[in-house]
Amino acid sequence: AQTVTQSQPEMSVQEAETVTLSCTYDTSESDYYLFWYKQPPSRQMILVIRQEAYKQQNATENRFSVNFQKAAKSFSLKISDSQLGDAAMYFCASLIYGNKLVFGAGTILRVKS
Amino acid sequence: EPEVTQTPSHQVTQMGQEVILRCVPISNHLYFYWYRQILGQKVEFLVSFYNNEISEKSEIFDDQFSVERPDGSNFTLKIRSTKLEDSAMYFCASSERANQETQYFGPGTRLLVL
Repeated sequence: AQTVTQSQPEMSVQEAETVTLSCTYDTSESDYYLFWYKQPPSRQMILVIRQEAYKQQNATENRFSVNFQKAAKSFSLKISDSQLGDAAMYFCASLIYGNKLVFGAGTILRVKS
Repeated sequence: EPEVTQTPSHQVTQMGQEVILRCVPISNHLYFYWYRQILGQKVEFLVSFYNNEISEKSEIFDDQFSVERPDGSNFTLKIRSTKLEDSAMYFCASSERANQETQYFGPGTRLLVL
């Protein structure tokens, strides 16, 4: 079975600083997709960034970037210049077989002003 | 920007009652999904739907659950006889294509079973 592990239940960052959220996953497949979703207090699930496993280049979306290490099955999210609005629960998810997203347990990110 | 919408945002029901959760996927999307998140737990896949058929379902999606696309825009999740443990946030999602395509989520329906 697919598994996604987020080992950090909670992280804190000072406003304007950089924070990295960790994620590891398990698969024997070579082609798959990985995602980070943000869930603010409203509990809506918002797509932050996605990475195709066949691409060697790490995905970037403005202040959000990933460090994708395929051999290590690691997919961390880096948030630069953190803002108060970044405070949320962040979920890592994999899409390997079919259409079923498998989510990690989430990391709560707190941003201090 | 197109988005997935869900109604109602909150629903309170008595145990044993039937509930229908509604979703309007993004208009050009063909694949639809339901996920749920019990408070404090991870998001779990329930079912995927394409071409008026269930394409995949999880062990959670038992006979109490059903999905339907009653018209060209709505996608519904019905829980026939709710249990206390069905209390959760239910998310609808849609994607343009299948297989490793990005899924866009709605804002969720918070279901409370008393």
